[in-house]
Amino acid sequence: QLQLQESGPGLVKPSETLALTCKVSGGSISSSSYYWGWIRQAPGKGLEWIGISQDSGSSHYTPSLKSRVTISVDTSKNQFSLRLSSVTAADTAVYYCARVTLSATGTSWWFDPWGRGTLVTVSS
Amino acid sequence: SYELTQPPSVSASTGQTARITCSGDKLGNKYVSWYQQKPGQSPVLVIYQDTERPSGIPARFSGSNSGNTATLTISGTQAVDEADYYCQAWDSRTYVIFGGGTKLTVL
Repeated sequence: QLQLQESGPGLVKPSETLALTCKVSGGSISSSSYYWGWIRQAPGKGLEWIGISQDSGSSHYTPSLKSRVTISVDTSKNQFSLRLSSVTAADTAVYYCARVTLSATGTSWWFDPWGRGTLVTVSS
Repeated sequence: SYELTQPPSVSASTGQTARITCSGDKLGNKYVSWYQQKPGQSPVLVIYQDTERPSGIPARFSGSNSGNTATLTISGTQAVDEADYYCQAWDSRTYVIFGGGTKLTVL
């Protein structure tokens, strides 16, 4: 059974870089069938997609965050990471990692399973 | 930019059918997924590609998508189904869009 677990600092200062890691267990991250993604949820709000990446280096990001986001896959450690630069209080959220399946046409993506999430607070 | 609209709340009595809608321009031309999120927990995929149910999801969950509206239907709603539900679709510009979420209350 595939499991994902997020880790990283729970507190980040404004203007600094948020860095999180998602450890994958119960399966290999080196699969051409899947991408690996990040989603966040501000307190009391809905879900916001951040981006996805694959071990091939192929990545896609939401336009509103594209200039600040990098998602990378480390096959040697079976984990992937998120870096979000120049953070502000608006980036305070629970950050989830998830495995992403793309349909054969690439026009349908779904997220399953998800990690438990980690709360990141941006504050000085 | 493409948007998905969900009603903020829906209620259903135990044993009855709950229907949660998700609206968007020509949404029937896209594939929709649905996620269930209980308080303090991470989302769980309950429907993908409009109508497909992942293994382990009860058969009382079903989905449909036509015209401008996708619908998640829960037949024989149970107390354990009380949760927030989010629809999600793919768009060529923004790639992934989530609806604002619907809180399902089971009476």
